[in-house]
Amino acid sequence: NAGVTQTPKFRILKIGQSMTLQCAQDMNHNYMYWYRQDPGMGLKLIYYSVGAGITDKGEVPNGYNVSRSTTEDFPLRLELAAPSQTSVYFCASSYEGEQFFGPGTRLTVL
Amino acid sequence: DAKTTQPTSMDCAEGRAANLPCNHSTISGNEYVYWYRQIHSQGPQYIIHGLKNNETNEMASLIITEDRKSSTLILPHATLRDTAVYYCIVRPLTGANNLFFGTGTRLTVIP
Repeated sequence: NAGVTQTPKFRILKIGQSMTLQCAQDMNHNYMYWYRQDPGMGLKLIYYSVGAGITDKGEVPNGYNVSRSTTEDFPLRLELAAPSQTSVYFCASSYEGEQFFGPGTRLTVL
Repeated sequence: DAKTTQPTSMDCAEGRAANLPCNHSTISGNEYVYWYRQIHSQGPQYIIHGLKNNETNEMASLIITEDRKSSTLILPHATLRDTAVYYCIVRPLTGANNLFFGTGTRLTVIP
């Protein structure tokens, strides 16, 4: 199993640009999550999904959108990138309790 | 609301046991204690979890006090690869929107 995979690993965006961060898992987990981590801080939940077709807001959803059309994929969309969205983004999935995290996407908005 | 309190940083000599404390005085009856760690720039990694009994797996041991208001994660023989930030989290076993990461404890294993 590849576990949780994320692409791209790194990205630099200009203010106002848009992009989609990809996340996929091959463990058939129903639950998937997107977190962001700012320097020196813990992770904050952006959005989560409890199954295909179901998504909900986390702690810091503003400026982001998600979709969950399949069990495997949970992309995160940034429509109008802002410098405040410079962060490391982690995707995760879980079955019961234990969450499995991807390697992260380091995003810089200039 | 901060549900757990951990020291900001700790050092441990290589080969010795690392004991990482966590206070969770407001823990509810249905909440478990989870530990994750994050090695530099990587995604967090699950270590162990428990409800009220002590737990042990191949990575660590978890000791939970009888009143469940605090716990200790024990790495029995710390190696340099154990240098990481360790997060103590309390949450119910099920549910999605309830894994809150604080700033954790930065453990440095010293040669």
